[in-house]
Amino acid sequence: EAQVTQNPRYLITVTGKKLTVTCSQNMNHEYMSWYRQDPGLGLRQIYYSMNVEVTDKGDVPEGYKVSRKEKRNFPLILESPSPNQTSLYFCASSLTTGREKLFFGSGTQLSVL
Amino acid sequence: QQQVKQSPQSLIVQKGGIPIINCAYENTAFDYFPWYQQFPGKGPALLIAIRPDVSEKKEGRFTISFNKSAKQFSLHIMDSQPGDSATYFCAASIRGATNKLIFGTGTLLAVQP
Repeated sequence: EAQVTQNPRYLITVTGKKLTVTCSQNMNHEYMSWYRQDPGLGLRQIYYSMNVEVTDKGDVPEGYKVSRKEKRNFPLILESPSPNQTSLYFCASSLTTGREKLFFGSGTQLSVL
Repeated sequence: QQQVKQSPQSLIVQKGGIPIINCAYENTAFDYFPWYQQFPGKGPALLIAIRPDVSEKKEGRFTISFNKSAKQFSLHIMDSQPGDSATYFCAASIRGATNKLIFGTGTLLAVQP
């Protein structure tokens, strides 16, 4: 089944404790992206990747890191999480660009205490 | 300039009613306007999309109306059903920019039986 898989589904952590949210897609998509969803703010792009080893900032990149060492994986790293990073995070992929049909994962609900 | 303004924030209709969700934009460089549907606990999924060379597009009970001169587009759901209860996001992308969609803030729709 074609899908974008995110883990974990829920995560509670404390301020400053490094964490990684994994994202994997099995559709051989070139484009991958991370979004955060907050009430009243919609979906905001954090980082995106057009291909392996090619990543760039989205609209809200502060406090986040990403890497794209393999085509299928695009982990999101929070090296020193803060409470304002409490949010619902989505990974998405599409065939070649961010303008095409995006396939989203099921989300990761992160709480930073 | 790069915002997409979505209204209303929430909407309640009776089964069989026709909910209408509106979006407006300023940047005339936008040339692709998709709508995404998100059920609770799931990631958004592409519902329907339109380009500015047409004024209307229908897919089943879902219709996008596009008014290029007013820089507005809207989603209509005909004969709405309780199963249509979800959050709906409009989005737009800029001609020549391949990196992302710009999402509206979302509309939470509840269709009552």
